[in-house]
Amino acid sequence: GAGVSQTPSNKVTEKGKYVELRCDPISGHTALYWYRQSLGQGPEFLIYFQGTGAADDSGLPNDRFFAVRPEGSVSTLKIQRTERGDSAVYLCASSSSGGRGETQYFGPGTRLLVL
Amino acid sequence: AQSVTQPDIHITVSEGASLELRCNYSYGATPYLFWYVQSPGQGLQLLLKYFSGDTLVQGIKGFEAEFKRSQSSFNLRKPSVHWSDAAEYFCAGLEGGGADGLTFGKGTHLIIQP
Repeated sequence: GAGVSQTPSNKVTEKGKYVELRCDPISGHTALYWYRQSLGQGPEFLIYFQGTGAADDSGLPNDRFFAVRPEGSVSTLKIQRTERGDSAVYLCASSSSGGRGETQYFGPGTRLLVL
Repeated sequence: AQSVTQPDIHITVSEGASLELRCNYSYGATPYLFWYVQSPGQGLQLLLKYFSGDTLVQGIKGFEAEFKRSQSSFNLRKPSVHWSDAAEYFCAGLEGGGADGLTFGKGTHLIIQP
């Protein structure tokens, strides 16, 4: 079966531009997570969706970051007015129902470079 | 604040030798604990997890980890490493009643010498 997919795999943009990163979770998974991994660091939690709603957005660094999941499957992470410090690999993960002991399955990530 | 610490940034081990990667956590209650592996060009893959029961947990690829409450540790072990084990290893935690996202350590880069 298909795993978590993310597009694009790489994105280069200029400072100040707007970007959208897409995540397609494992079919049937209701829980979806976004993480950000900076060079030499572990992934950092951004936001968690349960179905269509953002159940926990405590990790979003500021209001330039926003994510949606309108139909409870595909999610889009949106970054406005990008800054060089936003350069990182953005990871998406999904789990069956969001239970705390469940395995989160990760996608390959989108590598974002802000020039 | 909840945290996960991996004290070793790099570890070099000879092929066939045993391996232990360290992980310490700081949580109020018994957390959910995970070990993930990340190979170049690959996504994060779960090796094993612990949240209750037997403190010695078996995982995939011959890995195991032991939860030690007295030492706030969850170290990953393998009796004999293979060249294919070279990768980045991350310990992660999740508190029972806290935020919903995993808290990851900074990772340990494992190098296998022939």
